[in-house]
Order: sequence, then structure tokens, then C-alpha cells
Amino acid sequence: DVKVTQSSRYLVKRTGEKVFLECVQDMDHENMFWYRQDPGLGLRLIYFSYDVKMKEKGDIPEGYSVSREKKERFSLILESASTNQTSMYLCASSLAQGAQQYFGPGTRLTVT
Amino acid sequence: QKEVEQNSGPLSVPEGAIASLNCTYSDRGSQSFFWYRQYSGKSPELIMSIYSNGDKEDGRFTAQLNKASQYVSLLIRDSQPSDSATYLCAVSTGKLIFGQGTTLQVKP
Repeated sequence: DVKVTQSSRYLVKRTGEKVFLECVQDMDHENMFWYRQDPGLGLRLIYFSYDVKMKEKGDIPEGYSVSREKKERFSLILESASTNQTSMYLCASSLAQGAQQYFGPGTRLTVT
Repeated sequence: QKEVEQNSGPLSVPEGAIASLNCTYSDRGSQSFFWYRQYSGKSPELIMSIYSNGDKEDGRFTAQLNKASQYVSLLIRDSQPSDSATYLCAVSTGKLIFGQGTTLQVKP
């Protein structure tokens, strides 16, 4: 079974802090994704990566950056956290572009 | 027009009834279609995939695809309270596009 893990289930940070969210998958998937999910807004794609050291912006990249130094690990970085980044963050991976995605358990981030 | 559309609901059905969830999509070139279930506070999990026109059954779940009409549906037979969740439709157009989800409530 594909396993996608995320570093924290719950995280509380202060405004202006730098925040790192880590995601690791164990199935040698090329593709990894970061989403945020808010009530009434559905899943919104922040960034994705189709290969090591490769990244592409999704629909809402502002205020975020990513890093993919190893195939199995994809990190989401909030350079200076703001209260409007309070959300559920979901990492996913897939074997091929457009293929089914496997999700991690999610990180509920609160910025105060 | 959104690329993948779902009625947000909530769709409320009594226990034991058939729940019918619908999804329409805009890209005629879409090839793969998925249904995810998401319980409150949890992450989405894949429950069905369908790639060709017609029906695909898996236990109490049936996915239906009609490419000519650009819709995909999910039927849940003998609905149980444990089926209460948000169901996300996802359509592959070279990248995977998710609908906003339909919330299903199954009342005992």
C-alpha cells in the first residue's frame, strides 16, 4: 500500500514565523502535490512537483514556496506565516500525471 | 464554468436507501475519473475509479460514466450512517482536477 506521511497532524504558529510542512511518500512516485482545504472552497492546489528539484505553481502559490531535494520528500514552506494561512494542508502523491492521487493524513495549521 | 462541478449538498437520505451523487466535467478529452470519500477532519481516500463508459460495481458502490454527456455518478446502495461524508469527484485531463465535493448525510 502507498503510504504518505506528514510531519505533524496539528501545528500552531505565530504570525511572521517561518513554517515548514514535510511530506514523505514511500512508493517511488514521481509526482507530489500540496493542497490547502478550507470550508466551502474545496481542495486548492498550491504547488506540485513532477521530478526532483522541479516545482510548478498551482492555483494559489502566493505566500508559499516548496522544496524537493529527494524524490520521496516534498516540503511546503510558509516564509512568513499569516492568519489567512490557517487551514488544513494536504500532501498527495501519484505515479503518473493525471493518475489517482494518494493523500497524507493532513496538517491542521493554526496561525495566531 | 468550473472544470468539475458537483452539487455541494447536503444530500440527505434515510438509512437503507440509495444515494446518488453526480458530477459533470467540461473537458471532453478527460480519460480517467475517480471518486474519493472524505470524513470530517480526515483526508480524502479513493473509493472508485472508472475509465470507460458504463457502470462499474464494487460492493455497495457503483460508478457510472457517460462521456457523451460528460457526467460521472456514484451510487451507494443500502446507505449506512457510516457513509456520511463528503464525496469528491476527480477528473483527469492530463492533470487531476477535483470538484468541491457533495456532503452526504445518511439518517438512521
